[in-house]
Amino acid sequence: SQQGEEDPQALSIQEGENATMNCSYKTSINNLQWYRQNSGRGLVHLILIRSNEREKHSGRLRVTLDTSKKSSSLLITASRAADTASYFCATDASGSRLTFGEGTQLTVNP
Amino acid sequence: GAGVSQSPRYKVAKRGQDVALRCDPISGHVSLFWYQQALGQGPEFLTYFQNEAQLDKSGLPSDRFFAERPEGSVSTLKIQRTQQEDSAVYLCASSASAGTAYGYTFGSGTRLTVV
Repeated sequence: SQQGEEDPQALSIQEGENATMNCSYKTSINNLQWYRQNSGRGLVHLILIRSNEREKHSGRLRVTLDTSKKSSSLLITASRAADTASYFCATDASGSRLTFGEGTQLTVNP
Repeated sequence: GAGVSQSPRYKVAKRGQDVALRCDPISGHVSLFWYQQALGQGPEFLTYFQNEAQLDKSGLPSDRFFAERPEGSVSTLKIQRTQQEDSAVYLCASSASAGTAYGYTFGSGTRLTVV
């Protein structure tokens, strides 16, 4: 079963614009992780934010976490065509498994 | 190795056939996970190994699914008497730490098509 829900399901932007994706979840978590998946490939870990953290940065990525609202957002700044992919949030509530959402398909047009 | 390696990359099985999917994790990685990803969906957890111990197999959908990691490195996911609903991409991931406290490294997956 999917715990996370990403919003929007699909996002199309122009190169250079910022992209924001949101994730909501249902239970208390230890951490929340974001992954990217290019078509036909495995997932690539982008960033992890722990339940006691509110914001984290990595390069052009900024992740926020609001545990009171059970939600997270991923911001990609100055997007590039190479950022075109599906983006998944995944929550760790048990220590032994991640529960993934259904993903946001991001298309960055050159 | 440099990454998580899965084989075969593609597998076509006739309904009722048994299949075995292999995962070579990053050398020395303690944790190994199997996930199933249906088309257009996010990955769904199947099972988790810490070294050779299978600590969580609650995600295996039926007793036709079996996973092992006998020496704490290579893992095999076996599906017996395949059904059409087993068609999916099977992803393996590994992590240097125990559990899910840090990010995983995923393989490219095995795409299983049951005809």
